Amino acid sequence: AQTVTQSQPEMSVQEAETVTLSCTYDTSESDYYLFWYKQPPSRQMILVIRQEAYKQQNATENRFSVNFQKAAKSFSLKISDSQLGDAAMYFCAYRSNFGNEKLTFGTGTRLTIIP
Amino acid sequence: DSGVTQTPKHLITATGQRVTLRCSPRSGDLSVYWYQQSLDQGLQFLIQYYNGEERAKGNILERFSAQQFPDLHSELNLSSLELGDSALYFCASSARDRAGYGYTFGSGTRLTVV
Repeated sequence: AQTVTQSQPEMSVQEAETVTLSCTYDTSESDYYLFWYKQPPSRQMILVIRQEAYKQQNATENRFSVNFQKAAKSFSLKISDSQLGDAAMYFCAYRSNFGNEKLTFGTGTRLTIIP
Repeated sequence: DSGVTQTPKHLITATGQRVTLRCSPRSGDLSVYWYQQSLDQGLQFLIQYYNGEERAKGNILERFSAQQFPDLHSELNLSSLELGDSALYFCASSARDRAGYGYTFGSGTRLTVV
């Protein structure tokens, strides 16, 4: 079974600075997808960024980018120019391209933005 | 509006009672997933339905059951409720051929058992 590990329960960053959230995963598969979801205080789950395992190029969405290291099974999220609205729980998630396709989530990292 | 509708948004009930949570997936999505999120914890997968059939089961208690109807909406039934069942219950949907696009989540149902 796949597992996703987020080793940083909490992180904080000064507004306008850059922060990196870590995620590692364990799988024996070669074809899968990785995601970062954001959960603000409203508790809504919002997709931040996605990465296809067969693509070597790291995904980027505006101020959000990932560092995907397939061999190391690492998938970190970098947030540049942090804004107050970025304060949230961030969940890393794995999804196989086979079988039942359920998302497996990490335990989350709570990000605080310091004004 | 994500396109996934969950009702009710909030529910308060007593121990021992039974409740039904409802989810309407995004138009065109055949898969529905249910997740439980206890206070300040991650999301635990409960169950998946695909086009009316159960596809996968996770950590779902025997007191809980679900189904997906012909119109693709889904219901999660929780019975003999205990205090520990208090949580945020999410429904999400996805299209079978768009595995790489993750899920679309509803806004959740917050269940409080007193």
